[in-house]
Amino acid sequence: DGGITQSPKYLFRKEGQNVTLSCEQNLNHDAMYWYRQDPGQGLRLIYYSQIVNDFQKGDIAEGYSVSREKKESFPLTVTSAQKNPTAFYLCASSTQGNEQYFGPGTRLTVT
Amino acid sequence: GQQLNQSPQSMFIQEGEDVSMNCTSSSIFNTWLWYKQDPGEGPVLLIALYKAGELTSNGRLTAQFGITRKDSFLNISASIPSDVGIYFCAGLLWGGATNKLIFGTGTLLAVQP
Repeated sequence: DGGITQSPKYLFRKEGQNVTLSCEQNLNHDAMYWYRQDPGQGLRLIYYSQIVNDFQKGDIAEGYSVSREKKESFPLTVTSAQKNPTAFYLCASSTQGNEQYFGPGTRLTVT
Repeated sequence: GQQLNQSPQSMFIQEGEDVSMNCTSSSIFNTWLWYKQDPGEGPVLLIALYKAGELTSNGRLTAQFGITRKDSFLNISASIPSDVGIYFCAGLLWGGATNKLIFGTGTLLAVQP
């Protein structure tokens, strides 16, 4: 089946540790995105990538890093510099200029 | 970051009732999208609107892209319990190197059987 997968569904980490969230898509989409969602809130853009080996900061990129070495994959690293990392993280992909499709999300809890 | 004005913020209705929600913006968008998000899941695309004035249906859902390209509404007819969730509008800005989705603040829909 074509789609976007994110793993794991739930992730727990201790404060001060870096953690990497996985996002894979087999839709042959050029563009991929990472969003953060806090309880009762909308989606905020962290990073996006329009093409392999290129990415741009979104509205809340501080404390996060990404890579885009393959078209299918866009992992997000939540670093220890992110002050409030506990959130629901959503990955999305799209063809250029078209609607975005979302993965199932990863809920990260940092204690 | 920029967000669209979406209303109402929440709705509590009886099964069978019709629902209407809308989004407005000061910016012009190329495309308007409507998503539904179930608790703990990613948003699912319901309807995409590409042309000003376009009216599109998907089952019990109907959405329209405003003539000014600055607003959109979503109607749900004869609501059922599985319609429960958060509905987001989103405006798509694209051109050149930019392909950015601006989200509304969401409408929480609760349906009582």
